[in-house]
Amino acid sequence: RKEVEQDPGPFNVPEGATVAFNCTYSNSASQSFFWYRQDCRKEPKLLMSVYSSGNEDGRFTAQLNRASQYISLLIRDSKLSDSATYLCVVHNDYKLSFGAGTTVTVRA
Amino acid sequence: NAGVTQTPKFQVLKTGQSMTLQCAQDMNHEYMSWYRQDPGMGLRLIHYSVGAGITDQGEVPNGYNVSRSTTEDFPLRLLSAAPSQTSVYFCASSYLTGLAGGSTYEQYFGPGTRLTVT
Repeated sequence: RKEVEQDPGPFNVPEGATVAFNCTYSNSASQSFFWYRQDCRKEPKLLMSVYSSGNEDGRFTAQLNRASQYISLLIRDSKLSDSATYLCVVHNDYKLSFGAGTTVTVRA
Repeated sequence: NAGVTQTPKFQVLKTGQSMTLQCAQDMNHEYMSWYRQDPGMGLRLIHYSVGAGITDQGEVPNGYNVSRSTTEDFPLRLLSAAPSQTSVYFCASSYLTGLAGGSTYEQYFGPGTRLTVT
């Protein structure tokens, strides 16, 4: 079983829509959780950390459910510039485990 | 401040050739790592280092060597290239304190090296 699993999508949404997706992780002892964003053929960049109480950063909301071992990301009022692949990342000791990514395409 | 730099950007090798992918960072980060990214697989950790002179294996270390003689540089060596090593390789760095348990930890990635082995 992969350490981190994500729905690959693609999620194809109109501008202004809300889109949400999850990832699940297998190691219950995982310490920290993140969402990274990766544009086509570019390097990943940190979008936001995911805190136990849930957190928002502008139009982005991340949630963590330790009991069910999943993390979610919700994007409100989608913009064309939100089109990207979103990587779920889980931290254990000195290693980060990456999901394969969820692709989101926002259309005009 | 250049961040994390990688060279070359593109490389084509023949099976059996060896080469070194270069990675350097100017942020004085203790932690550096190498990943490979293949379609549908996500990034997989090859090797990592928690400081100069210290390296350790990640998830997929076979066929690769690393060394960390300075804080700034973390080269990845392919010993005898194989078609299965065709991939995009990313180097990344971060402060170690965040990796020890801080939730605000961020890893900075280089632009990647696209390697094809024929």
